[in-house]
Amino acid sequence: NAGVTQTPKFRVLKTGQSMTLLCAQDMNHEYMYWYRQDPGMGLRLIHYSVGEGTTAKGEVPDGYNVSRLKKQNFLLGLESAAPSQTSVYFCASSQTLPSYEQYFGPGTRLTVT
Amino acid sequence: GESVGLHLPTLSVQEGDNSIINCAYSNSASDYFIWYKQESGKGPQFIIDIRSNMDKRQGQRVTVLLNKTVKHLSLQIAATQPGDSAVYFCAERKGDSNYQLIWGAGTKLIIKP
Repeated sequence: NAGVTQTPKFRVLKTGQSMTLLCAQDMNHEYMYWYRQDPGMGLRLIHYSVGEGTTAKGEVPDGYNVSRLKKQNFLLGLESAAPSQTSVYFCASSQTLPSYEQYFGPGTRLTVT
Repeated sequence: GESVGLHLPTLSVQEGDNSIINCAYSNSASDYFIWYKQESGKGPQFIIDIRSNMDKRQGQRVTVLLNKTVKHLSLQIAATQPGDSAVYFCAERKGDSNYQLIWGAGTKLIIKP
């Protein structure tokens, strides 16, 4: 199993450009998450999904949109990138009980100039 | 509100010694806690978890202690090795959610040779 994969690994955008980050998991997990991590800080939840076709806002959703058309994929979109969105983005997935463990992808490093 | 925080942002430990990383939480109703390790340039990896009906749980070279009286969590790493250098995060289950975690800011563990 590949676990959680993210595409791309690195990206540089100019202010105002748009892009989509792709997350894929092969563990048949119901729940998926998008986090951002800024230097020296913890993880902040952007959006999450509790199943195919459902999404919900997390702690810092502004400027981002998501879609979960297929159970194994969770897409994060930036419609008009801003320098404040320069960050490392992590996708994660989890199953239901008995554990709340989240499995993380390797991250996407995004720079907005 | 719910929050998870760490006492020390950086911890330096001599190789071979034991490391203790601390975490405080504010929600006395929290029933699940988890520790993650994040190596440079990688996504967080699960280390160990503990439920509130336990005071202690052991894994391979790691022990998590939970003190519900003072709302304190600690991760002990025995015989610290160079490969233990990383940032360690504690997280708790969000009280009204089966799947969301509330993350602390992280502690950077530095191993001195």
